[in-house]
Amino acid sequence: KNEVEQSPQNLTAQEGEFITINCSYSVGISALHWLQQHPGGGIVSLFMLSSGKKKHGRLIATINIQEKHSSLHITASHPRDSAVYICAVRSPGAQKLVFGQGTRLTINP
Amino acid sequence: SAVISQKPSRDICQRGTSLTIQCQVDSQVTMMFWYRQQPGQSLTLIATANQGSEATYESGFVIDKFPISRPNLTFSTLTVSNMSPEDSSIYLCSVGWVGDTEAFFGQGTRLTVV
Repeated sequence: KNEVEQSPQNLTAQEGEFITINCSYSVGISALHWLQQHPGGGIVSLFMLSSGKKKHGRLIATINIQEKHSSLHITASHPRDSAVYICAVRSPGAQKLVFGQGTRLTINP
Repeated sequence: SAVISQKPSRDICQRGTSLTIQCQVDSQVTMMFWYRQQPGQSLTLIATANQGSEATYESGFVIDKFPISRPNLTFSTLTVSNMSPEDSSIYLCSVGWVGDTEAFFGQGTRLTVV
């Protein structure tokens, strides 16, 4: 079993729908990252969380440390949100990230 | 924050040859990492590039195959040596600072070996 599990692996939705991507992890962490990867390959950092909730525009990320679970929400989804979303965690004292397998999101117009 | 320039963005190479990928950062960073992303897979850490000393390689990756240089706090290179089609992947550099800081990634190098 991977240390970081994402669900779903693939998600297709219509423009305007509310999107939720889930991330569960099995290790103690000091931080959790949500990343976005576009088809060209480049990766953009969306959020870094250690507790609670963060919001940036139409994106919301939450984390429940006790349940070892995080969610990424996209409100009023748009075709330009189509990308692979990756959850990654860092353990206390470690520098490297451990990555989930990614969720491929497709938003149809 | 950090802005990373990674070159080349893509290349098609013959098997048996080598390719060097460059990662230039616009500010001094403590940590520089090199990742591989095989088709349809998530990122796997190849090594941590250490300034002025040998890189720290993850299990399954060796210096002879993936030599890494880091001459200063803003620049690193990864060489993929003696390439085979199995090396076809996206290679990404990532930078950060000690502790829980945001992760910054280069644009990636999409390598195809024929």
